Amino acid sequence: GNSVTQMEGPVTLSEEAFLTINCTYTATGYPSLFWYVQYPGEGLQLLLKATKADDKGSNKGFEATYRKETTSFHLEKGSVQVSDSAVYFCALTLNAGGTSYGKLTFGQGTILTVHP
Amino acid sequence: DVKVTQSLRYLVKRTGEKVFLECVQDMDHENMFWYRQDPGLGLRLIYFSYDVKMKEKGDIPEGYSVSREKKERFSLILESASTNQTSMYLCASKDSRAGTQYFGPGTRLLVL
Repeated sequence: GNSVTQMEGPVTLSEEAFLTINCTYTATGYPSLFWYVQYPGEGLQLLLKATKADDKGSNKGFEATYRKETTSFHLEKGSVQVSDSAVYFCALTLNAGGTSYGKLTFGQGTILTVHP
Repeated sequence: DVKVTQSLRYLVKRTGEKVFLECVQDMDHENMFWYRQDPGLGLRLIYFSYDVKMKEKGDIPEGYSVSREKKERFSLILESASTNQTSMYLCASKDSRAGTQYFGPGTRLLVL
């Protein structure tokens, strides 16, 4: 089956530090990969995505590269801010049609706290 | 902007009571989803719907049912709530072609 594994949190950083949150996946087909972010008290928002191998998704200073050879999609940011404190979820969906209907498989989430 | 609305943010129910959670989206999306979110487990898919009156079980459908009478509205029903259904419930919708799911703010349910 399909699965997503994220590095365990919580992650605590000082402002302007470098961030990496690891994500690896297993999939039976050719997945699209996503990072979603959940700010306190809110639902999930799409942060970035990549639909094929070697694609790089980027948004708000965050980046992640789809690495098929290592089945990974690690999230990085060069300089985090206090406002980046949130829960981050890695997820995949299979691109094949049929009955998948774009179902997402999520990792367990990583809590990030950034201190001033 | 896509808007997915879950009007109830917090709900407290007693064991055995019926619970009805509603989700409304305003983008004419074909696909809608219900997830529950629990610490350390991420989001798990309960049910999804790919068209009006059409539904499919997700990964954890036991104890839940759904209803989709209109395209914009997808309801999650707990016929007899139990304490292990205390959780955050998130609804999402998606266009049938695009890969991005759009989420509502969630309903935090406490079953006593």
